[in-house]
Amino acid sequence: EADIYQTPRYLVIGTGKKITLECSQTMGHDKMYWYQQDPGMELHLIHYSYGVNSTEKGDLSSESTVSRIRTEHFPLTLESARPSHTSQYLCASSLSSFPGGQYFGPGTRLTVT
Amino acid sequence: GQNIDQPTEMTATEGAIVQINCTYQTSGFNGLFWYQQHAGEAPTFLSYNVLDGLEEKGRFSSFLSRSKGYSYLLLKELQMKDSASYLCAVRDTGSGAGSYQLTFGKGTKLSVIP
Repeated sequence: EADIYQTPRYLVIGTGKKITLECSQTMGHDKMYWYQQDPGMELHLIHYSYGVNSTEKGDLSSESTVSRIRTEHFPLTLESARPSHTSQYLCASSLSSFPGGQYFGPGTRLTVT
Repeated sequence: GQNIDQPTEMTATEGAIVQINCTYQTSGFNGLFWYQQHAGEAPTFLSYNVLDGLEEKGRFSSFLSRSKGYSYLLLKELQMKDSASYLCAVRDTGSGAGSYQLTFGKGTKLSVIP
């Protein structure tokens, strides 16, 4: 079973607040990812990291930022939350070696009022 | 990049067999994954194919034909708990920092009825 954790699981916050969504994994995976998913819709990659101090933007433009200072930790920050940021945010990790499948955390459901 | 196509919805009866198809186009195929996602939950890994043929895991099997850009997920002895979305994801060798990423299809919502 994958050991990847996200906190908080649910968050309701007002417009303009700064928030950080936490993601940690204990599997020693070098690659980590953030996806955004609206209910019943497809996954969209918003950020990924191939290792410490490596971060890249994904396919979907996002106003969030990420950092990777430690292998096991990949937090996502929104400097000023807006109602359009309301969504589910899923963190995932994988090894570079074969087969490299991604394992997902339980997700953070964010509501911005 | 990839173009991944799978049916939006399917319905099947408890105890039956269902096949969920996935077609893809990619410039540098490096593996195909199937995930299960229950409503409101995170995707969970089901299977992986990189060579042609069938991979079997209990009630679930996945097939790949690289020449046809085609895969299917076969679910046998359907149970009510199998009602979920099934996501097809393709990994592309790509280039640069984007190499070996997964691109997910939109998912097939399977409803199992009594």
